[in-house]
Amino acid sequence: DIVMTQSPDSLAVSLGERATISCKSSQSVLYSSNNKNYLAWYQQKPGQPPKLLIDWASTRESGVPDRFSGSGSATDFTLTISSLQAEDVAVYYCQQYYTTPLTFGGGTKVEIK
Amino acid sequence: EVQLVESGGGLVQPGRSLRLSCTGSGFSFGDYAMSWVRQAPGKGLEWVSFIKSKAYGGTIEYAASVKGRFTISRDDSKSVAYLQMNSLRTEDTAVYFCARAPPAGGYTYPPIYFHYWGRGILVTVSS
Repeated sequence: DIVMTQSPDSLAVSLGERATISCKSSQSVLYSSNNKNYLAWYQQKPGQPPKLLIDWASTRESGVPDRFSGSGSATDFTLTISSLQAEDVAVYYCQQYYTTPLTFGGGTKVEIK
Repeated sequence: EVQLVESGGGLVQPGRSLRLSCTGSGFSFGDYAMSWVRQAPGKGLEWVSFIKSKAYGGTIEYAASVKGRFTISRDDSKSVAYLQMNSLRTEDTAVYFCARAPPAGGYTYPPIYFHYWGRGILVTVSS
């Protein structure tokens, strides 16, 4: 199984400041035949289902604010919130879809400092 | 608008069975892979199972934790996906989310991640 490890477990960031979340996979999720990273990011606010933010490691979903960006390749990925807003308080998860079992990171809780 | 609505959850004793349903609307249900993802109280997300569309053979896969106990199926004529859960254990207690995959996009092996989610339904396994 591919193990997804997120860090930190939680972070507190001031409004307007940058938040950075790391996600590392135990093996590469880069598919060589199409040069795509099979990695997604989700946001889950309290009492709500998760929401897809980013797929293919860096493609923002329609309607997702451009302060959210994804980067990285192979085994190391980052979700960045460039200027934290109050509505960004949530838990963020990465997920690999390179192979089954599909696996998620443990989540990173983002709060306001 | 894509909508997914789960039903069938509740309180059940260990060893008993329960069947969850996920009704989709706002899209051509039969064209998409459907999944179940669960979240134990206060914990993270765990993929449970998916079923691909008939165009991709209706391929089914399960997480090791539920294989042999849970069965996923779909009825495209009713736009419903099911999760039959047998031999339930206390550790199966969770909110179960139904999720739709993105369009297959012509991939030979379409990616299975979770484009749209239902609101989830609570399953509590307890004596």
